[in-house]
Amino acid sequence: GAVVSQHPSWVICKSGTSVKIECRSLDFQATTMFWYRQFPKQSLMLMATSNEGSKATYEQGVEKDKFLINHASLTLSTLTVTSAHPEDSSFYICSQQALETQYFGPGTRLLVL
Amino acid sequence: KQEVTQIPAALSVPEGENLVLNCSFTDSAIYNLQWFRQDPGKGLTSLLLIQSSQREQTSGRLNASLDKSSGRSTLYIAASQPGDSATYLCAVSSYGGSQGNLIFGKGTKLSVKP
Repeated sequence: GAVVSQHPSWVICKSGTSVKIECRSLDFQATTMFWYRQFPKQSLMLMATSNEGSKATYEQGVEKDKFLINHASLTLSTLTVTSAHPEDSSFYICSQQALETQYFGPGTRLLVL
Repeated sequence: KQEVTQIPAALSVPEGENLVLNCSFTDSAIYNLQWFRQDPGKGLTSLLLIQSSQREQTSGRLNASLDKSSGRSTLYIAASQPGDSATYLCAVSSYGGSQGNLIFGKGTKLSVKP
């Protein structure tokens, strides 16, 4: 299957700083990537759909100015959490669609102090 | 609004036992249903994908069934092994022709004791 990588896998930051998470497809080109968030003991929830070369589509309740998504190439999408706060601490995971299946990255665990 | 529920939330079984994980969804208008495996601190691995027109899919010791009209799916694991220990997630896609918005359950955490 397709391989998706995420970087970093772990990040700890101070409140008010911005954090960038990268999602790369290593062996295929993806026009569409998805960003999910998972709080402890909760379901994975779709945050936004990232389309190469166009603006991302955000789910209801997700602030587009806080979670900046850039999908500048067919192999890279980035999610920037701006002015992070403790309530943004979560597990962020990206996925890419290839044919009938979504391939997920390993995820990034963010802890905001 | 589609909601996905998984029961039980956690399950512990001895090695070699057969087991069933349950998933239910509130809106039967789905495009497909997937079962994933999530290992601690890692991403998701797709196990089985069932299209809405299908009743079941099998892969090795895994068998997933789908009853769209009743909003239920089961994942059957035969002859469980310690390596099967993980969290199993059920997700439905309600957009025709696209995997776009997967709605996930909270998962069942499986522990297989040697």
